[in-house]
Amino acid sequence: GDSVTQMEGPVTLSEEAFLTINCTYTATGYPSLFWYVQYPGEGLQLLLKATKADDKGSNKGFEATYRKETTSFHLEKGSVQVSDSAVYFCALSASLMDSSYKLIFGSGTRLLVRP
Amino acid sequence: GAGVSQSPSNKVTEKGKDVELRCDPISGHTALYWYRQRLGQGLEFLIYFQGNSAPDKSGLPSDRFSAERTGESVSTLTIQRTQQEDSAVYLCASSPTVAKNIQYFGAGTRLSVL
Repeated sequence: GDSVTQMEGPVTLSEEAFLTINCTYTATGYPSLFWYVQYPGEGLQLLLKATKADDKGSNKGFEATYRKETTSFHLEKGSVQVSDSAVYFCALSASLMDSSYKLIFGSGTRLLVRP
Repeated sequence: GAGVSQSPSNKVTEKGKDVELRCDPISGHTALYWYRQRLGQGLEFLIYFQGNSAPDKSGLPSDRFSAERTGESVSTLTIQRTQQEDSAVYLCASSPTVAKNIQYFGAGTRLSVL
């Protein structure tokens, strides 16, 4: 079945460092790909999405490119801030056999940014 | 309301008791989803509603779990005869239409079964 694998955390960085969180997926068909973020004490929020190969999603300085050849959707940010500390989830939906568009999530990566 | 609302935010119950968790989706959203998040893990899909119908219940872990939705609005997730392994955060999400493919999440209900 469909699945998402993302790097284990926690990831600890200093402010202004470069961030990469790896995400790879297995899916039939052509899923849409997402990054969700969960700030402490809050619900999940959509960070960015991409719906087809080579699409780049971007938001709040974060970017991720849908790479079909490597089945990856790595999250990057050039300069992290303390306020980016959160748990980041990679997810996919709507592969060929699924009309519910339910999200299939990775296990989450905790990011801690130190001042 | 402005977002997806879930209640209660926390629920502590004894093993063997039944619990009901409530979700109020964003007004007008036709699609509604329930997920479960165990400690330190990603979210697991439980059930999907389109309107008041549930075409995908494939994630419900056992027949102790059931859910309904009424008025194309509020949904209730019921867990009967709770077990300790049911302890988790239960998250609800809604979407304007299923094809819009963007889900908006509530803050969740943290269930602790003692």
